[in-house]
Amino acid sequence: DAKTTQPPSMDCAEGRAANLPCNHSTISGNEYVYWYRQIHSQGPQYIIHGLKNNETNEMASLIITEDRKSSTLILPHATLRDTAVYYCIVRIYDYKLSFGAGTTVTVRA
Amino acid sequence: DTGVSQNPRHKITKRGQNVTFRCDPISEHNRLYWYRQTLGQGPEFLTYFQNEAQLEKSRLLSDRFSAERPKGSFSTLEIQRTEQGDSAMYLCASSLGRAGGEKLFFGSGTQLSVL
Repeated sequence: DAKTTQPPSMDCAEGRAANLPCNHSTISGNEYVYWYRQIHSQGPQYIIHGLKNNETNEMASLIITEDRKSSTLILPHATLRDTAVYYCIVRIYDYKLSFGAGTTVTVRA
Repeated sequence: DTGVSQNPRHKITKRGQNVTFRCDPISEHNRLYWYRQTLGQGPEFLTYFQNEAQLEKSRLLSDRFSAERPKGSFSTLEIQRTEQGDSAMYLCASSLGRAGGEKLFFGSGTQLSVL
């Protein structure tokens, strides 16, 4: 699986959009980009995934660059409950996730 | 769905004792996964079942670890002769097993402390 690089931490103001970057320059053509988050003392929670096209669901939007070497997760209106560790994962095998250290996002009032 | 359920939530044991954790996946999910997470790290893959068949085991899963999923329903993870290095959060997840692009649903985990 391709390796991902994320900033270790970022702050966001409540009510504003949070843009979380992820680099995956060695991604191959059949690897998906996944985002999960983990709120303290809970298991990871699926957010969104995509292959080539931008994706949007009720939680977030995923923007993947045309060359697929990077992506951005957008939380459109961050709330205090969005404070969590966010993991960007690139995977080819459909049974194994390789979590890195993720980005610790702190939403401030 | 009722979500993935794990029991117990917390387990404290003495070094050398055996422990067993249980995971009840979402009912229609045919795939079940075990992960381990230590403090400050992301979860690490341990093993995975497709129905009752255990299809892959990580090198992290030493001979002291054994996982089962009888009848393709709930799963158990047993650790024999626990060591202090086994202290971690043990996470279970399940999925429908669609080819590519599937979601994993995680439980809240079992926190193991080995004294």
